[in-house]
Amino acid sequence: GAGVSQSPSNKVTEKGKDVELRCDPISGHTALYWYRQRLGQGLEFLIYFQGNSAPDKSGLPSDRFSAERTGESVSTLTIQRTQQEDSAVYLCASSLRGEHIQYFGAGTRLSVL
Amino acid sequence: DQQVKQNSPSLSVQEGRISILNCDYTNSMFDYFLWYKKYPAEGPTFLISISSIKDKNEDGRFTVFLNKSAKHLSLHIVPSQPGDSAVYFCAASARGTASKLTFGTGTRLQVTL
Repeated sequence: GAGVSQSPSNKVTEKGKDVELRCDPISGHTALYWYRQRLGQGLEFLIYFQGNSAPDKSGLPSDRFSAERTGESVSTLTIQRTQQEDSAVYLCASSLRGEHIQYFGAGTRLSVL
Repeated sequence: DQQVKQNSPSLSVQEGRISILNCDYTNSMFDYFLWYKKYPAEGPTFLISISSIKDKNEDGRFTVFLNKSAKHLSLHIVPSQPGDSAVYFCAASARGTASKLTFGTGTRLQVTL
C-alpha cells in the first residue's frame, strides 16, 4: 500500500509569507506526527494527533506554527509570517494506535529567503 | 537539553566488517528505543527496536543492545555492506505512551569497498 505522502517536496518562500505543508498518512493509521529537522540536527517533535483526541502541541516553537487534521486523514502544518530560522525539512509520520514504530514521509524542504 | 545523544557524527567501516553505532540517553522515563536509517532526500525508515524489558534484539544483520544501567544502546551491523551507507538515528519514547519520539542527531555511516 501507499506510504506517507507529503507535499510539496520543496518550498521556497520569502520572509514574512505564510506557508502550508500537507501530509497524507498511511490509510488506517490513527496517529500522525510532525517533526522538523534543521541542518545537521536530529528530528525535533512538533505536534501529535491521535484520533479525535486533543492534539499534543507541546513541540510547536511559536504561535506562528499551527496544524490541523481532518478526521483520521490529511493534516496541514501552517507557518505564518515565516522567518529564516524556519528553514528546515518538515517530516510527517504516522502509526497505528499504541504502536511505537512511526512511518515517515520524504519530507518538505522549506527554504525561507 | 539533548536527551538522546549520538556523540559520533560519522563512522567509516570497511565492507564485511562490523559497524557499531552508539547512543546515550538521559531520561529514565524512556522505555522503548528505535533505530532509523535515512538516505538523502528520503524520510527515515525504521530499522530495529528494543523494549526496556530486553537487553538485546536481533534481526538479520542488525542487532541492538540495551544497557539500562548505563543508559546506553548500540546498533551492530555485521557484515557491513555498501548499501548500509546512510545516516542512522537513535530514537526513544517515554514510558506508557506511544507518542512523540525523541531523536539523536544521527551518525553518518560510510561503508567502503
